[in-house]
Amino acid sequence: QSALTQPASVSGSPGQSITVSCTGTNSDVGAYDYVSWYQQHPGKAPQLMIYDVNTRPSGVSNRFSGSKSGNTASLTISGLQAEDEADYYCSSYTTSSTWVFGGGTNLTVL
Amino acid sequence: EVQLLESGGGLVQPGGSLRLSCAASGFTFSLYVMSWVRQAPGKGLEWVSTISGTDPSTNHADSVKGRFTISRDNSRNTLYLQMNGLTADDTAVYFCVVGGGGKGDYWGQGTLVTVSS
Repeated sequence: QSALTQPASVSGSPGQSITVSCTGTNSDVGAYDYVSWYQQHPGKAPQLMIYDVNTRPSGVSNRFSGSKSGNTASLTISGLQAEDEADYYCSSYTTSSTWVFGGGTNLTVL
Repeated sequence: EVQLLESGGGLVQPGGSLRLSCAASGFTFSLYVMSWVRQAPGKGLEWVSTISGTDPSTNHADSVKGRFTISRDNSRNTLYLQMNGLTADDTAVYFCVVGGGGKGDYWGQGTLVTVSS
């Protein structure tokens, strides 16, 4: 199972919006609406930010939103804040009943 | 409050074995699918194994199939990962995760496994 494809890095200024893409195949992202996004600060455990493509867990800011079109999912962060600087990973359930992650995207808040 | 406490990591020689444990609390452990996800130093996340709540059916990534075994003891609220035939490529922080099927609701802080001679 190949990893999902994410850009290695993105950046934005405070207050701006950024979007991170996550491209898979018909066997993962395109097969189900089981795409999740995780935020990971250095030395910390990942935290679930979005699940089922566009659902936020309780406690996650509404500045975070998700979407999907075909085999590509996207995470949008609006109103960028310094605390958003972190690594972001997408993941998807697959038709082989496995769980695949993207390679990760490093977000820099300028 | 959900708490996941991993243990059992450490330094092991190539070809060796380790058993990781994850003590869970703050939720009804037996009702939840549980997974292990690892992260090699400076690298991304990689799913390792998942086990259902009560069957318990299991699934493993191809990279560990035949070498690693996930199991659970619902009476002790504990998740395990038995790792045999370890190689340098298995060096990583191993996270215990509540959930599976692409959705990890809660993550432990991880335990580091280093495979080196």
